[in-house]
Parts: sequence; C-alpha cells; structure tokens
Amino acid sequence: GENVEQHPSTLSVQEGDSAVIKCTYSDSASNYFPWYKQELGKGPQLIIDIRSNVGEKKDQRIAVTLNKTAKHFSLHITETQPEDSAVYFCAARALGSYKLIFGSGTRLLVRP
Amino acid sequence: EAQVTQNPRYLITVTGKKLTVTCSQNMNHEYMSWYRQDPGLGLRQIYYSMNVEVTDKGDVPEGYKVSRKEKRNFPLILESPSPNQTSLYFCASSLETALGDLDTQYFGPGTRLTVL
Repeated sequence: GENVEQHPSTLSVQEGDSAVIKCTYSDSASNYFPWYKQELGKGPQLIIDIRSNVGEKKDQRIAVTLNKTAKHFSLHITETQPEDSAVYFCAARALGSYKLIFGSGTRLLVRP
Repeated sequence: EAQVTQNPRYLITVTGKKLTVTCSQNMNHEYMSWYRQDPGLGLRQIYYSMNVEVTDKGDVPEGYKVSRKEKRNFPLILESPSPNQTSLYFCASSLETALGDLDTQYFGPGTRLTVL
C-alpha cells in the first residue's frame, strides 16, 4: 500500500525567511497530493493541493511542487509570518481510492 | 456555517466501558472518515464511508466499529476500549465529484480520548 514520508519533523525559521517541507510517496498510482495545516487545538485544514497533471501550484505565499518521476512533492512558504507556526501534514491518494495517506507531520516554528 | 462537528471534545474513560463518539456534517457530503492522530505517526485512517450503509476499513480498524444510517452522521464506536486507543480522533467529510473522485476533506475539531 501507499506510504508517505515527510521531512523534517521540526523546522524553525526566522520571520521573513522561506520554509520548505518535503514528502515522498511510494505508490505510482497516487495522483492527488494535499497539504494540511493544523493549529493547536484544531482539526487539519487544507491549505493547498496539487494533482498529478500539474507540476507546480501557487497561492499567494504558498506553493507546492510535484515531481512524479522521483515521487516527491514539496510545500514552499515564502515570507514566513508568526501565524504560519503550526503542524503541517502532506498526504497522497490514488485515483479512485477513498484512502488518504498522511505523512507524519512537520512542526513549523516561525521566530519573530 | 458549513462544518463537521464532533462530540464529545474530551473524554476520559476506563478500560472496557463502551463509548461512542459522534460526528455530524451539514454539507450533504457522501464521504465521511475517521482518523486517529498519534505523535510521530500523523493521521491514520480507521474507517470510512462512501455513502449511507456503505462502510469500509481503513488502515487501523481493529477495536473500532462505525455505522452510517444517515448521510449526515458517522459515529465511531469503541465496544471495549483499551489504553492503546488513547488518542486524538478526527472525523472528516468530503463531496464526491461528478468524475467519482473526492473533493477537499473537511475535518472536525477533534476528540481527545483517554482510556485508563
């Protein structure tokens, strides 16, 4: 079955710097890759997603890139702000599957 | 307001005492799912449901039951809870698109369960 690995487990950056979180997946049939942000005491919330027919997607300060050949995808946050501090999860799902497989999470701390 | 609600938010119980965690969504979503979140393991899927009376096992179904009698509700049942089921539980729902794929998953606020 699908396996998703996420790195790093913790990431500390200075406010204004960029942050990059990377995930690799094992199932070549996976075609949907969402990223979730989880703030303390809340459920995960989708911040951006990408499908396998697209190599990159941007939404303001957030971007996701996908390399299907290497089976990895990354989240890029530019001009980080303290409110970006949270736990971020990547996930993968194959076409036609109802199972969303999550990475183990990255705790991002943005220092003021 | 479109949302997924869970109750209770916090629960402390003892080994073997049956409990139910309720989940309800008001978005008319076909798909609903339960996850547990443990440190260093991310979210792992317990059970999911594609529609009323249609459920299937996720990756960690042992010790859990679910039912889907109504579209909006998807309760999680622990018949005989054990300490290894102490965890943070999330319910999620999603719309099924016309192409048979799933749209964005919306998560509830979570239920923190402690089994003593």
